[in-house]
Amino acid sequence: AQSVAQPEDQVNVAEGNPLTVKCTYSVSGNPYLFWYVQYPNRGLQFLLKYITGDNLVKGSYGFEAEFNKSQTSFHLKKPSALVSDSALYFCAVRDFYFNKFYFGSGTKLNVKP
Amino acid sequence: EAGVAQSPRYKIIEKRQSVAFWCNPISGHATLYWYQQILGQGPKLLIQFQNNGVVDDSQLPKDRFSAERLKGVDSTLKIQPAKLEDSAVYLCASSLRRQGPDTQYFGPGTRLTVL
Repeated sequence: AQSVAQPEDQVNVAEGNPLTVKCTYSVSGNPYLFWYVQYPNRGLQFLLKYITGDNLVKGSYGFEAEFNKSQTSFHLKKPSALVSDSALYFCAVRDFYFNKFYFGSGTKLNVKP
Repeated sequence: EAGVAQSPRYKIIEKRQSVAFWCNPISGHATLYWYQQILGQGPKLLIQFQNNGVVDDSQLPKDRFSAERLKGVDSTLKIQPAKLEDSAVYLCASSLRRQGPDTQYFGPGTRLTVL
């Protein structure tokens, strides 16, 4: 079955420290992987996506994500967290064969000053 | 480039009433999606349109939910009658194409509260 897992409901990090938000997936064929961020009372904003090629993908606001095929993971990272990064982060995968989109349950990122 | 527009932003109704949400996708985007996001969960796809045709409505509760995209541009999602468990944020998204790695762009959502 196709699925996306975000194992952490919440991640706490101090401002200036590196952050990682984890995501693993299960999907048929080669996946297209996405990260979105959601601020309170806002829709989802696209951060970055992996299609093919370089396993390290760079996106908006200094975020990057690393695709690991053997571990079926697509973790979101940022070298130095900002308080303004505090939000809800969603990992999503598009199934190659059926073109369906699956979202994880979300991870709340708290960056403390 | 204008984003995905949705209205209203908030709606409060009583159970058994009906409600409708409107979405205008990004210009030129052929594919339109409606999602339901219950508090604390990720978005769940309700229905997907390709132009004015339905591609996937497998998770749409068809006894009470309906959606249309008559001219292949804007879309309306209706709930009739509403239940308490329909309280959620309803998100509309659009993408250029249905297949491939096209990014979905989301509107701000409509927060529905059913009392």
